[in-house]
Amino acid sequence: AQTVTQSQPEMSVQEAETVTLSCTYDTSESDYYLFWYKQPPSRQMILVIRQEAYKQQNATENRFSVNFQKAAKSFSLKISDSQLGDAAMYFCAYVPQYYGGSQGNLIFGKGTKLSVKP
Amino acid sequence: SAVISQKPSRDICQRGTSLTIQCQVDSQVTMMFWYRQQPGQSLTLIATANQGSEATYESGFVIDKFPISRPNLTFSTLTVSNMSPEDSSIYLCSVDGGASINEQFFGPGTRLTVL
Repeated sequence: AQTVTQSQPEMSVQEAETVTLSCTYDTSESDYYLFWYKQPPSRQMILVIRQEAYKQQNATENRFSVNFQKAAKSFSLKISDSQLGDAAMYFCAYVPQYYGGSQGNLIFGKGTKLSVKP
Repeated sequence: SAVISQKPSRDICQRGTSLTIQCQVDSQVTMMFWYRQQPGQSLTLIATANQGSEATYESGFVIDKFPISRPNLTFSTLTVSNMSPEDSSIYLCSVDGGASINEQFFGPGTRLTVL
């Protein structure tokens, strides 16, 4: 069975500092996508960053970057220069890649609640 | 990215009643999804809805409890039937990213409380 594990229920970071959120997953598929979603208290799920498994280069989006270790099935999120607006629940998600279209079955981890201290 | 709206944003309902949640997208999409997020928990897929066909339900979810309609490419409804307090959750719809395979965009969610 495909599973996503986030081992840190809560994390805290000082404003302007860097924090890393952990995620591991289990799959027998070779082609898949990994995502980090952010859910602020407003509940709107926002895609933060995505990584295609076939790409060796780690994805980056401004202050957000990932450390993708395919062999170790690890997908951590690094947030640099943390801001107060980064406070939210962060969910790691996995979906296998099906050629010809999305199957849509995102598998989510349990989430990490990130607090940012001023 | 698609802009997705949901109605109602929240509701408080009595045990035994039903609630229909609407999901509207500002562009035509092939696949729409319904998720449940129980208090303090992660998201669990309820079903996938394609226009013109029956919804596909995940293990543990049945059509009698969660009937879904998908009348066109921009709209879907999820009904939570014969509600009990255990149905108190946030219900979110999402859509696929179209050209961005396997990427999903989410609506703002509907917070349901069942008394």
